[in-house]
Amino acid sequence: NAGVTQTPKFQVLKTGQSMTLQCAQDMNHNSMYWYRQDPGMGLRLIYYSASEGTTDKGEVPNGYNVSRLNKREFSLRLESAAPPQTSVYFCASRRGFGWDRANTGELFFGEGSRLTVL
Amino acid sequence: GESVGLHLPTLSVQEGDNSIINCAYSNSASDYFIWYKQESGKGPQFIIDIRSNMDKRQGQRVTVLLNKTVKHLSLQIAATQPGDSAVYFCAVLTGNQFYFGTGTSLTVIP
Repeated sequence: NAGVTQTPKFQVLKTGQSMTLQCAQDMNHNSMYWYRQDPGMGLRLIYYSASEGTTDKGEVPNGYNVSRLNKREFSLRLESAAPPQTSVYFCASRRGFGWDRANTGELFFGEGSRLTVL
Repeated sequence: GESVGLHLPTLSVQEGDNSIINCAYSNSASDYFIWYKQESGKGPQFIIDIRSNMDKRQGQRVTVLLNKTVKHLSLQIAATQPGDSAVYFCAVLTGNQFYFGTGTSLTVIP
C-alpha cells in the first residue's frame, strides 16, 4: 500500500527554470494538498484541491500553479523558479474535506521533495 | 485565520520518562486537532487525533488532552523510548484548512 507518492525526491534548479512536482495517492481520497516546509516555520499551504476538478489557493500560492489531473494525481508547477522557493515540499491527501462528520480524517503525507533553487 | 504555536522548540527527556508536548491555538471555532511525528528526512506521520467534542483521547502510549477554554492541546508520551526522538507538531483544522505549529524537537537520552 503506497499511500502518497511524490516525485522527484530531490531537485536542484537554476533561477528561472521550470519544473513540476508530481503527487499520486492510491487511497481514493477526495482532497489533496501541497505544502511547503521551511526551517522555523510550520507547514504552509500552497494550493489545495477539495475534490477532483477543483483547485484553490492556500496561504502562499504566489509563484506556483497546480493541476488536479484526476482523482489520484495532483501536480505542483514552478514556472520560473526563484531562490525563495528553496524548500521541502509535501503533498498530502485526505478522505474528506473541511469539517465533515462523516468523512473527517487525518492528512496523509508523502515523503517530501527537497528543492534547491540556485 | 488561525495561529498555532508550540511552547518549546526543543525537549530532552530520559528514556523511560514521560514526555509532554504542548500546543496553543487561537481560534475558538477550531474543530479537529491532530498530532504528527516527523523523523528526519521523512514526511509527517499521524499519531493521534481528537475532535472538539472531546477533551481526552488515548492511544498506545500516547494521550492527547484538549482544553478548549484556554485553547490548549497537549501530547503525552508514556515511557519515552529512543525511537520517539523526532519533531512533533500539532495541526488544527479551522474552517476548511489545517494550520500547523512549528514543531517541538524531542530528544530521548538513553
